[in-house]
Amino acid sequence: DTEVTQTPKHLVMGMTNKKSLKCEQHMGHRAMYWYKQKAKKPPELMFVYSYEKLSINESVPSRFSPECPNSSLLNLHLHALQPEDSALYLCASSQGRELASEQFFGPGTRLTVL
Amino acid sequence: GENVEQHPSTLSVQEGDSAVIKCTYSDSASNYFPWYKQELGKRPQLIIDIRSNVGEKKDQRIAVTLNKTAKHFSLHITETQPEDSAVYFCARPSGGYNKLIFGAGTRLAVHP
Repeated sequence: DTEVTQTPKHLVMGMTNKKSLKCEQHMGHRAMYWYKQKAKKPPELMFVYSYEKLSINESVPSRFSPECPNSSLLNLHLHALQPEDSALYLCASSQGRELASEQFFGPGTRLTVL
Repeated sequence: GENVEQHPSTLSVQEGDSAVIKCTYSDSASNYFPWYKQELGKRPQLIIDIRSNVGEKKDQRIAVTLNKTAKHFSLHITETQPEDSAVYFCARPSGGYNKLIFGAGTRLAVHP
C-alpha cells in the first residue's frame, strides 16, 4: 500500500463544533505531517510528528490539536474554529530518516467553517 | 531567509513546446530540492527531486538542474502535453530534514 488516506473528504462545521480529521498510512513511514492549503497557495506546514512525537509546531493556534496514536495514524482535532480556517487540510508522510525524502500526500479534507 | 522564490507564477505554452520554471533560495545548507505537481482538485505529488551532490537529473520529459553557486534550481518539461497542465511547486528543506518550504507555485497551462 503506497497511499496516504484521509477522512472525511469534506467537512462543514460551525464555530462551536468539535470535529476530527483522520489520516492513515501503511508504508512504514515514521514522519507524518499536517498542512493547510488555501486556494491558489502552496501547502503551509502546521505540524510534524517524528517517530510518534511532535517535533514541529509552526505556531498553530490551540484550536487545532494534533494527535499521533501510533506510527500509522495521525489525527487533527478541531474546536472553536473560525471561518478563516476554511481550507484544504493535507496529511503527508515520509520515511523520516535523516536524509530529506519524498513526502507522500493524502487527498485532503476540504473544511468549511460557517 | 526561509523563503524560496519561484518564477513565473503563470506559464502558458502550446502543446509540444518546452516549459521552464525556476526557483531561487538563500540558505546554502539546503541539500535537497523536490518538485511537486498538483492537478486541479488533487493532492500534490512528487515528480522529480535532486540532491546537492549532482547538477542535473532527468526522467523522460522532465529534468531538474541545480546551480549551487547561484543558488537556483529549475524544472524543465519538454514536449509538453495537455495533461502537464497543473500547478508546480518547488521546495527545499528548512530547519531540519522533515520540514519543507514550498515556493508560491507556477500555474502551467498547455494548450492543444
